[in-house]
Amino acid sequence: EAGVAQSPRYKIIEKRQSVAFWCNPISGHATLYWYQQILGQGPKLLIQFQNNGVVDDSQLPKDRFSAERLKGVDSTLKIQPAKLEDSAVYLCASSLEPGGAFFGAGTRLSVL
Amino acid sequence: AQSVTQPDIHITVSEGASLELRCNYSYGATPYLFWYVQSPGQGLQLLLKYFSGDTLVQGIKGFEAEFKRSQSSFNLRKPSVHWSDAAEYFCALFLWGGGGNKLTFGTGTQLKVEL
Repeated sequence: EAGVAQSPRYKIIEKRQSVAFWCNPISGHATLYWYQQILGQGPKLLIQFQNNGVVDDSQLPKDRFSAERLKGVDSTLKIQPAKLEDSAVYLCASSLEPGGAFFGAGTRLSVL
Repeated sequence: AQSVTQPDIHITVSEGASLELRCNYSYGATPYLFWYVQSPGQGLQLLLKYFSGDTLVQGIKGFEAEFKRSQSSFNLRKPSVHWSDAAEYFCALFLWGGGGNKLTFGTGTQLKVEL
């Protein structure tokens, strides 16, 4: 069974630039999560999709972050414009059952 | 408010020694609890989970965890640590809520294994 795929693995941008991350969840997993993990901290949920609908985006900084899930499968997370404090690892996860999420390897973003 | 606390930021053990990583939760109902492990540069891997039933849960890589409702704890244990166990360990709580069901993580415990 293929795992959660994320790309790119690494991204370096300057502040005020835009960036997008892509995630392909495990086939059949209806729930998809995007987490932000700042160095030294636990992952923080940014947004959760159930199929292609958003069920929780309460911690998503909507003035600069956006996310969509196309046809209930792949998802993209965008930051526009990026700030220095957005430097983090962005983790995508998917699950079939409550809470038992499978994580991708993440995208490490450095904002200079 | 619902939360997960991992009191130990760093733990160092000798290879072959036993290990216990602490996790405490705050939640009004019966929790769904998880332990994940994260190796450097990798995503999180699920070690084990507790939903209900037997309070001693077996996981992968020889890990186990015990749910103790009276202590609001879900500590992770391993009888004999291997050098490859060096990683960061996260306890997580699954919350059922009107705003969506979500997995909330503790701040993690960094495990170092001395040879």
